[in-house]
Amino acid sequence: GAGVSQSPRYKVAKRGQDVALRCDPISGHVSLFWYQQALGQGPEFLTYFQNEAQLDKSGLPSDRFFAERPEGSVSTLKIQRTQQEDSAVYLCASSFRSEGLNNEQFFGPGTRLTVL
Amino acid sequence: AQRVTQPEKLLSVFKGAPVELKCNYSYSGSPELFWYVQYSRQRLQLLLRHISRESIKGFTADLNKGETSFHLKKPFAQEEDSAMYYCALRAPGGGGADGLTFGKGTHLIIQP
Repeated sequence: GAGVSQSPRYKVAKRGQDVALRCDPISGHVSLFWYQQALGQGPEFLTYFQNEAQLDKSGLPSDRFFAERPEGSVSTLKIQRTQQEDSAVYLCASSFRSEGLNNEQFFGPGTRLTVL
Repeated sequence: AQRVTQPEKLLSVFKGAPVELKCNYSYSGSPELFWYVQYSRQRLQLLLRHISRESIKGFTADLNKGETSFHLKKPFAQEEDSAMYYCALRAPGGGGADGLTFGKGTHLIIQP
């Protein structure tokens, strides 16, 4: 019965480096979401998966951001050539369904990315 | 595009006083509205949702479509209510538009 887990919890990268952030959703949850939370702001939607299908990536800020969920469970958010403006907490959330009463999103602890 | 506005960045009240955290939204259809809470050093968690019409930890929120508001209220604040509160909107209807749109959050401090 563990909740959503994310790794690493903290990541420091030099500008220009590539990073990969991992999310383990709650077992059996169909929907998986990635959000970006800058300091002092609310979370902002990045992308959404239903099983392995990426149904919405409208929130990804640039083509340097790429997400995948190849087997419909674990997801990875990759950021290429990191920039200072990428510094934020990256939150992952999962839900049993995408609609209806079971669409509550359960959030992970987040990965705090700092780009120097 | 939808938007959620929480006008107060910080709200400080005394223990036992009433609390109201404001939330206004803009969306052309009928959205789902939520309040999420983040206690110190904990992860974001759902507090309540408008479709459930329930009271959680003494908090209630009523969706007012005329005023496009979903204010969070509690008649008597407790110290353990101190936290960050986020109002969020979901535009139903599928098509991939299932991500939540969050406000910037209100930091609620309950003074003893």
